[in-house]
Amino acid sequence: GAGVSQSPRYKVAKRGQDVALRCDPISGHVSLFWYQQALGQGPEFLTYFQNEAQLDKSGLPSDRFFAERPEGSVSTLKIQRTQQEDSAVYLCASSLAQRAEQFFGPGTRLTVL
Amino acid sequence: QKEVEQDPGPLSVPEGAIVSLNCTYSNSAFQYFMWYRQYSRKGPELLMYTYSSGNKEDGRFTAQVDKSSKYISLFIRDSQPSDSATYLCALLTQGGSEKLVFGKGMKLTVNP
Repeated sequence: GAGVSQSPRYKVAKRGQDVALRCDPISGHVSLFWYQQALGQGPEFLTYFQNEAQLDKSGLPSDRFFAERPEGSVSTLKIQRTQQEDSAVYLCASSLAQRAEQFFGPGTRLTVL
Repeated sequence: QKEVEQDPGPLSVPEGAIVSLNCTYSNSAFQYFMWYRQYSRKGPELLMYTYSSGNKEDGRFTAQVDKSSKYISLFIRDSQPSDSATYLCALLTQGGSEKLVFGKGMKLTVNP
């Protein structure tokens, strides 16, 4: 497809489980972003990559959160030992160039029981 | 105080009304101003993207930026039921990180 895709769309995890969320950006897009959106809130920045380099990870809430983009294309956001407060929609976005429009995927809705 | 403040509403208007959505911000380093629309269970989609102060019009949508007041607005003319969604302002600095800083989002319902 032409847009940003994310998988899975829905994920239910038991507290303490590890989860991995995948993002496929638009082909050729240099920058890739991860945001967390809690219910009724705007998206909050987590981290972003330019190609394979992680340029800003200031938004990652704890060391349980880890993101990678090893070949400068697909990215994975990993959350270890999930907690209930991690329940949110995780949005991925990509952009073609610096300060260009960010195109968002549909998000992964994570529920931690 | 958050960097970007947006009244979360909700806002309900009749079809054909003019809608005004607003955000205020505190960081003068913001130079790029965006409005995103988000339908339920979808990702945000860009509506308007402006740089620095001024107005920008696109069909029924007009974005205004007043940097002296640190105030941005989105106007929707002749609102339609299909405009019912959450509207998010998003701001970006001139240099440094490319992270978007979002407002809380305003949920708009346009009633037929």
